[in-house]
Amino acid sequence: DTGVSQDPRHKITKRGQNVTFRCDPISEHNRLYWYRQTLGQGPEFLTYFQNEAQLEKSRLLSDRFSAERPKGSFSTLEIQRTEQGDSAMYLCASSSNRRGQGQETQYFGPGTRLLVL
Amino acid sequence: AQTVTQSQPEMSVQEAETVTLSCTYDTSESDYYLFWYKQPPSRQMILVIRQEAYKQQNATENRFSVNFQKAAKSFSLKISDSQLGDAAMYFCAYGGATNKLIFGTGTLLAVQP
Repeated sequence: DTGVSQDPRHKITKRGQNVTFRCDPISEHNRLYWYRQTLGQGPEFLTYFQNEAQLEKSRLLSDRFSAERPKGSFSTLEIQRTEQGDSAMYLCASSSNRRGQGQETQYFGPGTRLLVL
Repeated sequence: AQTVTQSQPEMSVQEAETVTLSCTYDTSESDYYLFWYKQPPSRQMILVIRQEAYKQQNATENRFSVNFQKAAKSFSLKISDSQLGDAAMYFCAYGGATNKLIFGTGTLLAVQP
């Protein structure tokens, strides 16, 4: 069990550029979540996948944001035409949806810190 | 919609002493889970403790325990025998039927030697 990994850990970009982040969940976990955390705040839910299906998207996820999870393994989060307001920590988490276990624990990765200049 | 409130932006405790972090939440759901996560500076978020709402017994993990008051919608975290490594931001989180977690704004805990 190597834990949830995210790449890159830091990204600096200019306004208007596109960026893509990757998340590799814990290998046996079928659920994968993306959250955004701004300074001094708790994480806010963006979207989540069960296997390869994207089951819920937050209203925070504007049309400039897109997330994929091909083959139900790793996931990517792309932000197009970045804005300064997109500067934040993007966190990925994964969990295992075993029948009868109720709300399973989400395990977080180290995050990708994005700075848009 | 569910909400989570942490009313203590910062707390401080002396090493070896006990500290309690507060959390209240609002929900109309009857089946849900509550979590405390710890986020050290520049490090990833890790689970401290979880509580199932249907369980009356308060969860305990070594030096960490909770006081879960379902009727009052209160979920406080007690850290006993505080250690320097406990210094971190602590987040209370709610998990209900929608599977996503709803977090409070966090409490920054300082541990004084």
